[in-house]
Amino acid sequence: DTAVSQTPKYLVTQMGNDKSIKCEQNLGHDTMYWYKQDSKKFLKIMFSYNNKELIINETVPNRFSPKSPDKAHLNLHINSLELGDSAVYFCASSQGGDGTDTQYFGPGTRLTVL
Amino acid sequence: GENVEQHPSTLSVQEGDSAVIKCTYSDSASNYFPWYKQELGKRPQLIIDIRSNVGEKKDQRIAVTLNKTAKHFSLHITETQPEDSAVYFCAASSSGSARQLTFGSGTQLTVLP
Repeated sequence: DTAVSQTPKYLVTQMGNDKSIKCEQNLGHDTMYWYKQDSKKFLKIMFSYNNKELIINETVPNRFSPKSPDKAHLNLHINSLELGDSAVYFCASSQGGDGTDTQYFGPGTRLTVL
Repeated sequence: GENVEQHPSTLSVQEGDSAVIKCTYSDSASNYFPWYKQELGKRPQLIIDIRSNVGEKKDQRIAVTLNKTAKHFSLHITETQPEDSAVYFCAASSSGSARQLTFGSGTQLTVLP
């Protein structure tokens, strides 16, 4: 009965590779998000997405792209991985999409780029 | 865009004492202010939130206060326990064009037994 789940939990890969992280929520929420948490614990929004609109943080490189096959899933694709991409990536979801609903986080994916 | 500053970055208190974490925000349109607790290696979890039509909210040992005029809000934890040790994040968002949570930089709270 996990609310927001992510796979894989750990991902170790070489520079230059392309990888994906999957996220699923069973809360029936309309909006999903991707956050990046760096080694200093800063939590930074990367994307927010519902079935109507994708909002991209302008600082996110275009090597990162969200893909949503349906309302319950928001996957993160990363092309040409760089050392600086190493971080913990959290998926989250909320009922509405106006930024003022409680966000529920997934368990995180620790990405290490060698 | 919104900018949220959080202080202190680290805080150590004795068990049973109170802890206070403060945040300021820049966007006067922000109207939702949640607090998240993140234990080591775990996901952030909401512990309390406040909206701009309320000045204070309390839930057992946790309280949050909001001063919209000064654009700051605070988390108060009373009678701290070792299990309160974690990183605490404040955040702010508005229902305006941004519609995204902006997080503070986090406070590592350590409760000493």
